Amino acid sequence: AQSVTQLGSHVSVSEGALVLLRCNYSSSVPPYLFWYVQYPNQGLQLLLKYTTGATLVKGINGFEAEFKKSETSFHLTKPSAHMSDAAEYFCAASNQKVTFGTGTKLQVIP
Amino acid sequence: DGGITQSPKYLFRKEGQNVTLSCEQNLNHDAMYWYRQDPGQGLRLIYYSQIVNDFQKGDIAEGYSVSREKKESFPLTVTSAQKNPTAFYLCASTQGGRNTEAFFGQGTRLTVV
Repeated sequence: AQSVTQLGSHVSVSEGALVLLRCNYSSSVPPYLFWYVQYPNQGLQLLLKYTTGATLVKGINGFEAEFKKSETSFHLTKPSAHMSDAAEYFCAASNQKVTFGTGTKLQVIP
Repeated sequence: DGGITQSPKYLFRKEGQNVTLSCEQNLNHDAMYWYRQDPGQGLRLIYYSQIVNDFQKGDIAEGYSVSREKKESFPLTVTSAQKNPTAFYLCASTQGGRNTEAFFGQGTRLTVV
């Protein structure tokens, strides 16, 4: 069975600091991988996705993620946090169906 | 503009009443999904439909029902059999294929009193 684990339900960083949100997947077949962002009381928006090819993928708002098959990971990073990055972030894996992680709330401290 | 629309954004109902949440998309997507979101639990799949007049149960279908009579529409009914219906409900659609991203509506927050 496919599963997605996001380590840390809450992450706090200072404005300007590195953002690192962790995602690990478990699947018998390497899935396609996605990161979404959700602002309060809104739907989810796609940040980036990995399907095939280059393992480092760049997304919107300066975010990027690297697919590491050996570590079954797809961690999300951003070099410098902005206040506007405060939101909840979801990692998702897609094979026969899409499975979402439980989300990580990012707090950015001024 | 193409997109996916959920209505209403906020909904209040008395316990024991059925309520229907609307989801419409003009993206010409084949597949549509309903998720329930509770704090700390991520998104849980209620029902999904990959084609008109066909749908499948997700992980937490009990107490919910859906229909897919038109490609554009996928309404969700929360029945009185749902023990804890207060939640944030999200509708999504995809073009199809496991490498395509999901497009989400803005959500409906249902409160049962």
